[in-house]
Amino acid sequence: LAKTTQPISMDSYEGQEVNITCSHNNIATNDYITWYQQFPSQGPRFIIQGYKTKVTNEVASLFIPADRKSSTLSLPRVSLSDTAVYYCPRNEKLTFGTGTRLTIIP
Amino acid sequence: EAQVTQNPRYLITVTGKKLTVTCSQNMNHEYMSWYRQDPGLGLRQIYYSMNVEATDKGDVPEGYKVSRKEKRNFPLILESPSPNQTSLYFCASSLLRQGALPGNTEAFFGQGTRLTVV
Repeated sequence: LAKTTQPISMDSYEGQEVNITCSHNNIATNDYITWYQQFPSQGPRFIIQGYKTKVTNEVASLFIPADRKSSTLSLPRVSLSDTAVYYCPRNEKLTFGTGTRLTIIP
Repeated sequence: EAQVTQNPRYLITVTGKKLTVTCSQNMNHEYMSWYRQDPGLGLRQIYYSMNVEATDKGDVPEGYKVSRKEKRNFPLILESPSPNQTSLYFCASSLLRQGALPGNTEAFFGQGTRLTVV
């Protein structure tokens, strides 16, 4: 059964690059890796998705090694508005867990 | 505009009084799901549906019912609400391509329903 594991929380200073890692145990060959962002009292919002190697959009980059057992969400030059909870869900039933609470310090 | 609409946004009710939270999506998505969110416990799945007339239990289904009679609607029913069901509820939908997993396409979430049971 596929399972994802990510740190419970992280702190970073404004202007720094932040990397959040997720481990993907037993990821299926037809499974993509997806990340979501959630602000308080709002529903999660899709950030980025990839299958392998690197994907970049206007918000973030996603790094996936060849074995696909982990992924790293990279947020460049974070600001206070990036304070949120970040999830790498299991895709079989779209389950989210507790995510990583990222706090940006001024 | 593509969206998932939940109603009501806020609800205060009394123990035992049946209630329904509606969820509707306009994207013709096959997959729909309900979650509850409580402090420190993350987003927990209550029920999900792969398509019309196809529903299944998530991680915390006790005390809840759902139905999927039409593709666009996925109501959450609390037959006899109790105070431990006080929570923030989210509905989500995603496109389900053949042979793919529900999470392999972008999921869209509703605005949330804050339920208080007294």
